[in-house]
Amino acid sequence: QSALTQPASVSGSPGQSITISCTGTSSDVGGYYYVSWYQQHPGQAPKLMIYDVSNRPSGVSSRFSGSKSGNTASLTISGLQAEDEADYYCSSYTTSSTLNWVFGGGTKVTVL
Amino acid sequence: QVQLQVSGPGLVKPSETLSLTCTVSGGSINNYYWSWIRQSAGRGLEWIGRVYSTGRTNYNPSLKTRVTMSVDTSKNQFSLRLNSVTAADTAVYYCARVKSSGNDNWGQGILVTVSS
Repeated sequence: QSALTQPASVSGSPGQSITISCTGTSSDVGGYYYVSWYQQHPGQAPKLMIYDVSNRPSGVSSRFSGSKSGNTASLTISGLQAEDEADYYCSSYTTSSTLNWVFGGGTKVTVL
Repeated sequence: QVQLQVSGPGLVKPSETLSLTCTVSGGSINNYYWSWIRQSAGRGLEWIGRVYSTGRTNYNPSLKTRVTMSVDTSKNQFSLRLNSVTAADTAVYYCARVKSSGNDNWGQGILVTVSS
């Protein structure tokens, strides 16, 4: 069982917006602005899409945005495109024990 | 563009030590943290730990007793050793560069199977 909870799957039609949630606790998501999001296509390494809750690395489309409210972080993909179909993982710093980073279980995004 | 390349054996026997090296090219290893992360079907993505270019380390508490990370700045490499491996350690192992709360450059990953 992953430390952060994500929905197993989310789907949407091209052009639509979808949001993926990532729920943790006050020891991780709720306590720090250290949440990141990754996109992973089959057979590839994860790709950083968002860091520090809402910052996009250079080269990442502005269609991807991140936010946080309480113990839940969210990744929104606007203007959904076929190439957005992938697995998405959230990650957060946690102080539930010593310094540590935890991941969510992943969300499969399907473009209908 | 920084590139990372993982190398090491793809098969390790139970109770032995898993050893992997990540070579950084296109940039310096200095002044960054570098992560090891693994991914298995049963456990998803799991942060193993990180090492700074000075050698300072932080490990996942659940693996801390079995993990050692090190860095060789002269070779622009950093390494992972995981001892007393079991089948539960079978996974794809990734190395990555740390950027604030994320990992912005990843190696291609290497499948390590623990089996006799």
